[in-house]
Amino acid sequence: EVQLLESGGGLVQPGGSLRLSCVASGFTFSSYAMSWVRQAPGKGLEWVSIISDSGTDTFYTDSVKGRFTVSRGNSKSTLYLQMNSLRADDTAVYYCAIKWGQWLPYDYRGQGTLVTVSS
Amino acid sequence: DIQMTQSPSALSASVGDRVTITCRASQTITSWLAWYQQKPGKAPQLLIYKASILEKGVPSRFSGSGSGTEFTLTISSLQPDDFGTYYCQQYNNYPGTFGQGTKVEIK
Repeated sequence: EVQLLESGGGLVQPGGSLRLSCVASGFTFSSYAMSWVRQAPGKGLEWVSIISDSGTDTFYTDSVKGRFTVSRGNSKSTLYLQMNSLRADDTAVYYCAIKWGQWLPYDYRGQGTLVTVSS
Repeated sequence: DIQMTQSPSALSASVGDRVTITCRASQTITSWLAWYQQKPGKAPQLLIYKASILEKGVPSRFSGSGSGTEFTLTISSLQPDDFGTYYCQQYNNYPGTFGQGTKVEIK
């Protein structure tokens, strides 16, 4: 069974840092691109970032460029999101997703992890 | 970035009603559009991809249509379990932008 387990969320002060993890199981992690999306409390979904299967290519939404870094450890079947210079508007539940192919949709399987940026 | 405009933002309908949600892209995305249902506290669940292909296990009362910039999700006969918020997402390019969501309430 395909599973994604996000972790690493918590309360952090503005300007602080946090690293999220997403542990994958039930599929060959190293063969697929992986993505992060987020959802602020009571708001809609926002695409954040994507990383290629090998980790060589990454893309970010404009609001996180230069502050967030996506990476992956294929030997550990784990996706990461390093978040620096956090702001109040980064407060959200963060979900990871599998991108099964270039022309296939995102597949969200985890429960998400809540990041709260507040003093 | 491609903007996705979804309407309506909310609707209330009775069991058995036909429900239609529309998603418009700011530029062509051919058929690279997915529809998701999200229930409170849960991750989005895939319903439709490539505009009209029903994901395995999704009830056949859900259907999708459209291409280019105009897309529609239809629930042919609304059921009590269909409450939640529905989102469209384009995956033609990055960022994979979402519509604002449509909250569906059962009367």
